[in-house]
Amino acid sequence: GAGVSQSPSNKVTEKGKDVELRCDPISGHTALYWYRQRLGQGLEFLIYFQGNSAPDKSGLPSDRFSAERTGESVSTLTIQRTQQEDSAVYLCASRDTWAYEQYFGPGTRLTVT
Amino acid sequence: GENVEQHPSTLSVQEGDSAVIKCTYSDSASNYFPWYKQELGKRPQLIIDIRSNVGEKKDQRIAVTLNKTAKHFSLHITETQPEDSAVYFCAASDSGYSTLTFGKGTMLLVSP
Repeated sequence: GAGVSQSPSNKVTEKGKDVELRCDPISGHTALYWYRQRLGQGLEFLIYFQGNSAPDKSGLPSDRFSAERTGESVSTLTIQRTQQEDSAVYLCASRDTWAYEQYFGPGTRLTVT
Repeated sequence: GENVEQHPSTLSVQEGDSAVIKCTYSDSASNYFPWYKQELGKRPQLIIDIRSNVGEKKDQRIAVTLNKTAKHFSLHITETQPEDSAVYFCAASDSGYSTLTFGKGTMLLVSP
């Protein structure tokens, strides 16, 4: 079946602009995660959605970062007033309710110039 | 919160050798420990995981060991092949149903 998809695959933006990144999880997966991966670094947790529960936003680095998810489908990660340190690959992952494995999307490479 | 340390950051081996990657964690409540493999330019994929009720788990050439007392776990790859070359990430969680804390990764290079 279809895996997790993300768009765009690459995004170049100017410092100070807002960007929106999209994640389409595997159909039926109630859990959805966003991570940030800086060059040569590990995966940094940003936010976690589980069904209709309030999201776990404990990983968001600043109030410039926000995310939404409509029901158990698409999620968007928004970064306002982008800074150069926001340059990274943003990965989305989804998980079935009763399983542990997270399935990752291909990521969006964000470059802030 | 949880902190996961991973060593080494890079590891070079000859084809056929064994490779060992080690991770330590700080939160004694953690009980789920997955390992992800990320090939260059690809997405991370789960290769093996272990829960705290067992000390070792094997899957063909890959094994993971867990020492809860010492709060460390390790990935063992035997008979390495060039296609094992990738970045490997360990992670820890107090539940597979919640968030994962990842280590910084180990770049494994297997030379023919």
